[in-house]
Amino acid sequence: EDQVTQSPEALRLQEGESSSLNCSYTVSGLRGLFWYRQDPGKGPEFLFTLYSAGEEKEKERLKATLTKKESFLHITAPKPEDSATYLCAVPRGSTLTFGKGTMLLVSP
Amino acid sequence: GAGVSQSPSNKVTEKGKDVELRCDPISGHTALYWYRQSLGQGLEFLIYFQGNSAPDKSGLPSDRFSAERTGGSVSTLTIQRTQQEDSAVYLCASSLVGSVTDTQYFGPGTRLTVL
Repeated sequence: EDQVTQSPEALRLQEGESSSLNCSYTVSGLRGLFWYRQDPGKGPEFLFTLYSAGEEKEKERLKATLTKKESFLHITAPKPEDSATYLCAVPRGSTLTFGKGTMLLVSP
Repeated sequence: GAGVSQSPSNKVTEKGKDVELRCDPISGHTALYWYRQSLGQGLEFLIYFQGNSAPDKSGLPSDRFSAERTGGSVSTLTIQRTQQEDSAVYLCASSLVGSVTDTQYFGPGTRLTVL
């Protein structure tokens, strides 16, 4: 069965302290990997799609990378406004299978 | 432009009552998805619409759950005889063409509490 596992479950950083979130997946014939950000009480907000191993995408302090078995979301010099839950997902059938997310808290 | 909207934002109901949740997708988006998010759980797929048809209903947890979409736009998710385990945030998403690799844009969700 296709699975998506995110680690760590929660991460606490000081402002400016860079780190990475991990998304590992087991799926045959990857057709893309999606990253979303979810703030409390809101729906997920699309960040990136990666389609092939070696691909990288950046947006402000975030950079997503993809290998054949996992994806990383690198956060460089985070700010308190980067605090959120970050979700990754892979296509399965006609929809997306999501991981349970990493809850990131950035303290000033 | 306007994003995906959902109503109501919050719904509190008593066990055994029926509820209807509404989703307005982004204009022009042909695909619409319903998910459920419970505390501590990931997003759980419920149903997928392409136009007014639902080619994938595999995620509906029981026959108490049903959904329809009319005019290729608005969708309603109905839960009959609600149970406490139905308490969750119900999220709707839409995408332009309905390919599974197409970006899904989410609404703010409806928080359902069954007492």
